[in-house]
Amino acid sequence: EVHLVQSGAEVKKPGESLKISCTGSGDSFTKYWIGWVRQMPGKGLEWVGIINPGDSDTRHGASFQGRVTMSADKSISTVYLQWSSLKASDTGMYYCARHGIATDPYNWLDPWGQGTLVTVSS
Amino acid sequence: EIVMTQSPATLSVSPGERATLSCRASQSVRSNLAWYQQKPGQAPRLLIYGASTRATGIPARFSGSGSETEFTLTISSLQSEDFAVYYCHQYNNWPPVFGPGTKVDIK
Repeated sequence: EVHLVQSGAEVKKPGESLKISCTGSGDSFTKYWIGWVRQMPGKGLEWVGIINPGDSDTRHGASFQGRVTMSADKSISTVYLQWSSLKASDTGMYYCARHGIATDPYNWLDPWGQGTLVTVSS
Repeated sequence: EIVMTQSPATLSVSPGERATLSCRASQSVRSNLAWYQQKPGQAPRLLIYGASTRATGIPARFSGSGSETEFTLTISSLQSEDFAVYYCHQYNNWPPVFGPGTKVDIK
């Protein structure tokens, strides 16, 4: 059974940088695209982007292009979501989740990580 | 970008009753639609993919139907653990889009 474990909550100031992680257990980590999803406080789900851990190919949601960087280290079955200069509007819960079918970038999400809460406040 | 709408925004149901949730896409997504359940303080959980296929471990009281632009999630007999927010998600086109959610609460 696959599990995704995310890094812990972060509290940052505007302008600071941040890198959060999502580590997979089980086999075949590099065969499945991983998606990142944001949930702002009290709101719905928004697509941040996806990454192929095998070759680090990425696709961003329009609202996040140029705002975040996704990367992967397949040697440790981990993907990352990174900001170079945080804004208060980046505050939210960030989930990683695996695509349902290997090698398919257009897919449902299962399983999900537990989420990383990012708080950006001066 | 495809726009996903869900109705109603809130559905008040008594335990044991049937709940019917709707999801509409602004253009055809074929059967490339998933449903997720999210309880407070928890990550979303996949219920249905391919519009009608239950995910592993999902009880039979959950069923999905529809294709193209109109989809339905039915919970045949609501249990206490089913009170949650439900999201639909199209993955036919880039970018993937989630619906705004339907909250199912206790009547």
